[in-house]
Amino acid sequence: GAGVSQSPSNKVTEKGKDVELRCDPISGHTALYWYRQSLGQGLEFLIYFQGNSAPDKSGLPSDRFSAERTGGSVSTLTIQRTQQEDSAVYLCASSLEWRGGRETQYFGPGTRLLVL
Amino acid sequence: AQSVTQLGSHVSVSEGALVLLRCNYSSSVPPYLFWYVQYPNQGLQLLLKYTSAATLVKGINGFEAEFKKSETSFHLTKPSAHMSDAAEYFCAVSADLSGGYQKVTFGTGTKLQVIP
Repeated sequence: GAGVSQSPSNKVTEKGKDVELRCDPISGHTALYWYRQSLGQGLEFLIYFQGNSAPDKSGLPSDRFSAERTGGSVSTLTIQRTQQEDSAVYLCASSLEWRGGRETQYFGPGTRLLVL
Repeated sequence: AQSVTQLGSHVSVSEGALVLLRCNYSSSVPPYLFWYVQYPNQGLQLLLKYTSAATLVKGINGFEAEFKKSETSFHLTKPSAHMSDAAEYFCAVSADLSGGYQKVTFGTGTKLQVIP
């Protein structure tokens, strides 16, 4: 079946512009995650959804970052007034459900964001 | 709090040689441990996971890892490296918490180079 898809695959934007990154999880997966992968660093947790609710937003780097999920499916990560330090690969993952972290996460290919 | 430490950001092995990628974890409760692999320009893919069953876990592509509580380690091994194993490998930890959840924490990754 179809895996996790993300769009766009690459995004180049100018400093100060807003960007929206989209994630389509695997059908039937109720848990959805956003991570940021910067050059030479590991995966930084941003936010997690169980259904449409986000119990943990503590990983969002600043109030310029927001995310929503509607209909328990597609999620959008929005970065307002982008800065050069926002340049990174943004990865989305989904899992069947949240069960204390035991669930295998299935990752999308990522969106490569470059802020000029 | 939980964390993982991956020793060596870059590891080089000859084709046919043993692959050993090191991961040590810290967790105040029994952990769940994962190894993910990331090929260039792709998302992460689960190699194997430990969820408190057998301490020796076998994964895909001939990889295996052994959970050693006394050493707080979960090293990844493969008896004979193949060129197609060249990728970045991430160790990750999670755990159950009563009345809540514990998000997965990833290490900073180890890039494996296979020399022909």
